[in-house]
Amino acid sequence: AQSVTQLDSQVPVFEEAPVELRCNYSSSVSVYLFWYVQYPNQGLQLLLKYLSGSTLVESINGFEAEFNKSQTSFHLRKPSVHISDTAEYFCAVRETSGSRLTFGEGTQLTVNP
Amino acid sequence: DGGITQSPKYLFRKEGQNVTLSCEQNLNHDAMYWYRQDPGQGLRLIYYSQIVNDFQKGDIAEGYSVSREKKESFPLTVTSAQKNPTAFYLCASSDIPSGTEAFFGQGTRLTVV
Repeated sequence: AQSVTQLDSQVPVFEEAPVELRCNYSSSVSVYLFWYVQYPNQGLQLLLKYLSGSTLVESINGFEAEFNKSQTSFHLRKPSVHISDTAEYFCAVRETSGSRLTFGEGTQLTVNP
Repeated sequence: DGGITQSPKYLFRKEGQNVTLSCEQNLNHDAMYWYRQDPGQGLRLIYYSQIVNDFQKGDIAEGYSVSREKKESFPLTVTSAQKNPTAFYLCASSDIPSGTEAFFGQGTRLTVV
């Protein structure tokens, strides 16, 4: 069975500081990996995804994540955060041969002025 | 507009009553999912379906039931057997063969009164 662990439930940072949200997964087979963002009382929106190829993937709003197979990790990073990045972030995994999509517990990112 | 529609946005139920949450998609996706979200627990998978007339239990299926009679519809019934049904419920769909991400509805907030 697959599982996802997000190592930090809350991450407070100051505006323009760098941030890393950590995600580790467990699976015995190859996987697809995703980061989603959720604003209050809304559904989830895809931030970025790793399907294959380059292990470094980027989003249009400055986030990036690196797939590390040996460490089974998919950490999310941004070099300089904005107030508008305040939201809850979810890491998710899906086995390439299946449809079951499993999420982590979420990380609340709060950017302070 | 293509997307996923969940209705209603807010739902109140008396204890002991069954209630059905609607989820409709016009993305022509094969896979559909139901998740429950509680503070600090992330998204927990209730049921998922890969094709019409087939569905699988997720991690917390007890007290819930689903049907998949049409490709575009995946309603969730919260039965009286669910002891703590107050939560935010999210529906999603995904195009499995191409490995793309899941798309989410805006959620239904269910409150037992």
